[in-house]
Amino acid sequence: QQQVKQSPQSLIVQKGGISIINCAYENTAFDYFPWYQQFPGKGPALLIAIRPDVSEKKEGRFTISFNKSAKQFSLHIMDSQPGDSATYFCALKRGTALIFGKGTTLSVSS
Amino acid sequence: KAGVTQTPRYLIKTRGQQVTLSCSPISGHRSVSWYQQTPGQGLQFLFEYFSETQRNKGNFPGRFSGRQFSNSRSEMNVSTLELGDSALYLCASSLEGTPHTQYFGPGTRLTVL
Repeated sequence: QQQVKQSPQSLIVQKGGISIINCAYENTAFDYFPWYQQFPGKGPALLIAIRPDVSEKKEGRFTISFNKSAKQFSLHIMDSQPGDSATYFCALKRGTALIFGKGTTLSVSS
Repeated sequence: KAGVTQTPRYLIKTRGQQVTLSCSPISGHRSVSWYQQTPGQGLQFLFEYFSETQRNKGNFPGRFSGRQFSNSRSEMNVSTLELGDSALYLCASSLEGTPHTQYFGPGTRLTVL
């Protein structure tokens, strides 16, 4: 049973544009909502994370928006750059385990 | 600090064989987690070890097992390999108290023929 649904599966954005990736989850037993970025041939790397008592967190060009009542959270990448081309995973933290979404492959065209 | 290292990076096995993968966490990290990554199922949690004890386990059959040593290094074993076990196996380490901040290694690409 998939506990987190991520969309879209793939995304093409022009350089300088805004990339938006969404995730929806199915229950409330999670206490952290991180986003990971993965480049080909590498392991995922933590990009940004948010706690459920915060509605928005911004780090540089990356922003997480969190809607607890709707059980949704999203990643916004402002001023997208070709170097942002990667696969992005949302995740839910349950205890010491991370439950990942299926991933979004982002391509930023120059 | 050196990152998480995994050996070997690539492995080819045949059905029915067993395999052992190794992971060295970042110095000072005592929690080590393992994940399986496949195109169809994505990233799935296998298990987590802390201080040589399995603290958390995902929904995988008993053919998947692991252990952790006193220096925090970890090994993962898969017995009686099946074709569906072909995947990228990722190891991640974290500091106690910050499990949402996991540092991943590059993975071991296992191919089962």
